[in-house]
Parts: sequence; structure tokens; C-alpha cells
Amino acid sequence: DSGVTQTPKHLITATGQRVTLRCSPRSGDLSVYWYQQSLDQGLQFLIQYYNGEERAKGNILERFSAQQFPDLHSELNLSSLELGDSALYFCASSVVTGNTEAFFGQGTRLTVV
Amino acid sequence: KNEVEQSPQNLTAQEGEFITINCSYSVGISALHWLQQHPGGGIVSLFMLSSGKKKHGRLIATINIQEKHSSLHITASHPRDSAVYICAVYNTDKLIFGTGTRLQVFP
Repeated sequence: DSGVTQTPKHLITATGQRVTLRCSPRSGDLSVYWYQQSLDQGLQFLIQYYNGEERAKGNILERFSAQQFPDLHSELNLSSLELGDSALYFCASSVVTGNTEAFFGQGTRLTVV
Repeated sequence: KNEVEQSPQNLTAQEGEFITINCSYSVGISALHWLQQHPGGGIVSLFMLSSGKKKHGRLIATINIQEKHSSLHITASHPRDSAVYICAVYNTDKLIFGTGTRLQVFP
């Protein structure tokens, strides 16, 4: 158990809908990262938050947004869902940012039908 | 060309064999991760290293910063080592991932 909790584990929704994925980092970790793993793209970095502030942005679509709350949990919002958004979404956390070990959650498997 | 390349893509081995997975990268990095992903999907961090060599049980990871290359070695491989092994590099506060090496170890 990495100490990073993601909910829900599985999500099935229709095209055009909006979903929210939740991540609770390890106790004491200030940094949260979101990643997408699709069959054809592998793991891709989406966005990073550090202590409530956006720190780095990767290949995140405009239909996607994220935030980190004062209690350090984070949410990833995916809207106007398309079939191609079906993927595993991982959250990871680390104590600080950059050159520190990151711990991964178990992922949320999103299926868009 | 991907910024992080892994080889081989697929690897099969007999139990007990010595395994080597290679990772080459073309960007500047502050650290390199080796991750393990089991069929269920969960990702576990095996090593984070920025120089030299680290060992944990039967796993050894090395990195050569000058050559921009890292290797993950598994000694005395076991069927429970069957997983996808992913190399990832820290580049300006984000991880860039290799495409992974799928390892199957047969009894």
C-alpha cells in the first residue's frame, strides 16, 4: 500500500458526460501528480500541483482541469468525454517537488461508452 | 524519437535467469525512476536514482549520467517478477515515461 488513495477505482460513463476523479496523497506529501495511461499512448504526465498551486503542466486537454484543495487532496475533472478518454488515470504524490520519490495510487479505470 | 527509450519491449525468461532491462534518454534529468506495473494495473516505485547504483533485494539499478543510460537488473528471476517495468525521468518537474518492458518469467 503506497498510502495514496484514488477513488473511484472504476468508472463507466457515456460520451459527453463529466466526471471527477479524486486523489488523497500520502500523509505529509505536498505534491500531487496526475497521469493518464491509455493503450496506445503509454503513461503521459497531465499536471502537477504543489501545496495548492499548479506547478507544471503536461499534455492535458482543455476539457480537463484539476485542483488541489487546502487539505492537499486533489481532483481531476474530465468533461465532454470522448471515447478516446478511456484510460487508466493515476495520481502520485511526493513530499516536495522534482527530485524526490513519488508514490502512486492504484489508479482509476475510466471507460467512456 | 521518444525522449525515453527502453529495450527490449518484451522479454521472456526461465525462472532463475539474470534479467537486464535498458533505458536511454535524450533530455536533461534530475533523477530517474524505475517503476513496476503488475497486470492489475497498480504502479510501484522500485528505485529513484540520480547517480551510481542502488540495490534492493534481487533488484539492482544503475545509472550513467554521462552516457544518459540506466539499467535494471533482476538476479535469480522468479515468476512473481512478471510485470511491466517502466523507466521514467524527471525533467523540469515532470516525469517522462518510457514505453515499458513486458517481462514474463516462466517456472
